[in-house]
Amino acid sequence: DTAVSQTPKYLVTQMGNDKSIKCEQNLGHDTMYWYKQDSKKFLKIMFSYNNKELIINETVPNRFSPKSPDKAHLNLHINSLELGDSAVYFCASSLGPGVSWYFGPGTRLTVT
Amino acid sequence: SQQGEEDPQALSIQEGENATMNCSYKTSINNLQWYRQNSGRGLVHLILIRSNEREKHSGRLRVTLDTSKKSSSLLITASRAADTASYFCATDAREKSSGDKLTFGTGTRLAVRP
Repeated sequence: DTAVSQTPKYLVTQMGNDKSIKCEQNLGHDTMYWYKQDSKKFLKIMFSYNNKELIINETVPNRFSPKSPDKAHLNLHINSLELGDSAVYFCASSLGPGVSWYFGPGTRLTVT
Repeated sequence: SQQGEEDPQALSIQEGENATMNCSYKTSINNLQWYRQNSGRGLVHLILIRSNEREKHSGRLRVTLDTSKKSSSLLITASRAADTASYFCATDAREKSSGDKLTFGTGTRLAVRP
């Protein structure tokens, strides 16, 4: 059974478009996250939500808007896509401090 | 800002040899975690070591933590071709103002030759 799932796995789109990535976890965790991995494999946190409430917003452009309809889902909507948004986006969830996190398989976004 | 630096950036060894990767970080932590990422895949949690622990084992993995030096090492013994992947350390430094977050190191690319 998949613990953290993301859709789509691959997303190719043109500059200026708006796109969404969905994430779902079936672990009953309260906290969910979005991370961005760039071409150099550097992973950086973008957002975290705890029980549908935004906790962390790491100076991400406001073209990125996370939405958490319930604590099992955290979606990422991106407006006016730019070339620099090309990356792999990972969703993750955790039960709380001091325990391991679970990551989704990633969504490879390519903006042309 | 980038929390962890990993060393080496890339490591190539023969199957059966041991692989050691090091991670250094900058601030106080609650725990440190190691993750593996196979090419084009997601991150898989390997092991978590708390700030009051010095060493931890899990199968062929051994992790050490030296909080005075702000460093950790991951040892994979008797490596296999299937261990080929990128390995990341990540520090959990819960801050009152910003909540829980994992800050990742730059990663070590390990290649195990059959």
